[in-house]
Amino acid sequence: DAGVTQSPTHLIKTRGQQVTLRCSPKSGHDTVSWYQQALGQGPQFIFQYYEEEERQRGNFPDRFSGHQFPNYSSELNVNALLLGDSALYLCASSWGRGRNEQYFGPGTRLTVT
Amino acid sequence: AQSVTQPDIHITVSEGASLELRCNYSYGATPYLFWYVQSPGQGLQLLLKYFSGDTLVQGIKGFEAEFKRSQSSFNLRKPSVHWSDAAEYFCAVVRNQGGKLIFGQGTELSVKP
Repeated sequence: DAGVTQSPTHLIKTRGQQVTLRCSPKSGHDTVSWYQQALGQGPQFIFQYYEEEERQRGNFPDRFSGHQFPNYSSELNVNALLLGDSALYLCASSWGRGRNEQYFGPGTRLTVT
Repeated sequence: AQSVTQPDIHITVSEGASLELRCNYSYGATPYLFWYVQSPGQGLQLLLKYFSGDTLVQGIKGFEAEFKRSQSSFNLRKPSVHWSDAAEYFCAVVRNQGGKLIFGQGTELSVKP
């Protein structure tokens, strides 16, 4: 049984560019949440997708957007990248819109130069 | 607002010694509580969870945690630490609906031979 997978593993972008990160949830899971983890910090909640809709959102600007597909996979898009967007982006999946434990993928390391 | 505090940023223990990592939360009702472990550059692995019932919960890798409502604490323990336990440990809380995980700052565990 494959766990949560994320792609790419690493990414280097320039300020002002746009980036798309991808996540495939664990088999049987229908909810995907995205987190940003800056160096030396705990993960911060970005948003959660369930039934192809954004259900909850953390304190992140509109430059951060997402999508969930019918197969429950998800994308995180960040526009107009800033140096401060450099972080590890973690995807977590769960079953039942967050009422159960979340399982995390290995993350995508984004570096903005 | 909900919050999670992990008072110890860094702890060093000798291999074979016992371990206790502290976690305090701020929330009006009993939340769902979790401990995750993160190896360098990796995603988060769920160690254990508390939803309700028995306040002493067992997890993977020989870890356990005790929920104490009166102290708003959910401390993680292990009777005998192995060198492979060296990692970053995160305590997290979520409300009973919604699934937005709120993390503490993390405790880095070092194990000396």
